[in-house]
Amino acid sequence: AQTIHQWPVAEIKAVGSPLSLGCTIKGKSSPNLYWYWQATGGTLQQLFYSITVGQVESVVQLNLSASRPKDDQFILSTEKLLLSHSGFYLCAWSHQSGNTLYFGEGSRLIVV
Amino acid sequence: QQKVQQSPESLTVSEGAMASLNCTFSDGTSNNFRWYRQHSAKGLEVLVSIFSDGEKEEGRFTAHLNRANLHVSLHIREPQPSDSAVYLCAVSIKNTGYQNFYFGKGTSLTVIP
Repeated sequence: AQTIHQWPVAEIKAVGSPLSLGCTIKGKSSPNLYWYWQATGGTLQQLFYSITVGQVESVVQLNLSASRPKDDQFILSTEKLLLSHSGFYLCAWSHQSGNTLYFGEGSRLIVV
Repeated sequence: QQKVQQSPESLTVSEGAMASLNCTFSDGTSNNFRWYRQHSAKGLEVLVSIFSDGEKEEGRFTAHLNRANLHVSLHIREPQPSDSAVYLCAVSIKNTGYQNFYFGKGTSLTVIP
């Protein structure tokens, strides 16, 4: 069975500080990977997707970047956090050309 | 750009009564539809997926799709307090090698014992 793990579960960070959120998928080779962001009370918004290792496409940047250093790993990062980065970040995977997203448990970020 | 709208924003039902949630989408080329459930500050759980007009049942959850009306609905039979959560409608369009997924803002469901 496939499992998806996100870290950290929650973080409180200062404006201007760096951020790195991680996501690992086990039990599935060559998945499509996605990062979503959800502001409090807001719509789930796709940020990035990746079809293969080393390749990441941006949908909405929000002064964030993403990388896929390994087949099973997806990283979301920024060098300088903004207050507007606060929210809930969800990593998801799908089969290649698959039509269902499977989500991790999410990472809660509070920027102060 | 696909627009996905859900109604109502919030819904309160008594335990055992039917709960009905609605979702409209704007892009008629959308080819896959699913309902997710999100308990507070948690990941999303897939409830039911539907790909063709008509009805699809998964346990107590039934989805209805009417592409001509750009409408998909979710009906929850005999809801329980543990079903209290935010329900998200997701619509996807196939692209080369992946699907573009679009989400509604959600309906917050409260089930009263």
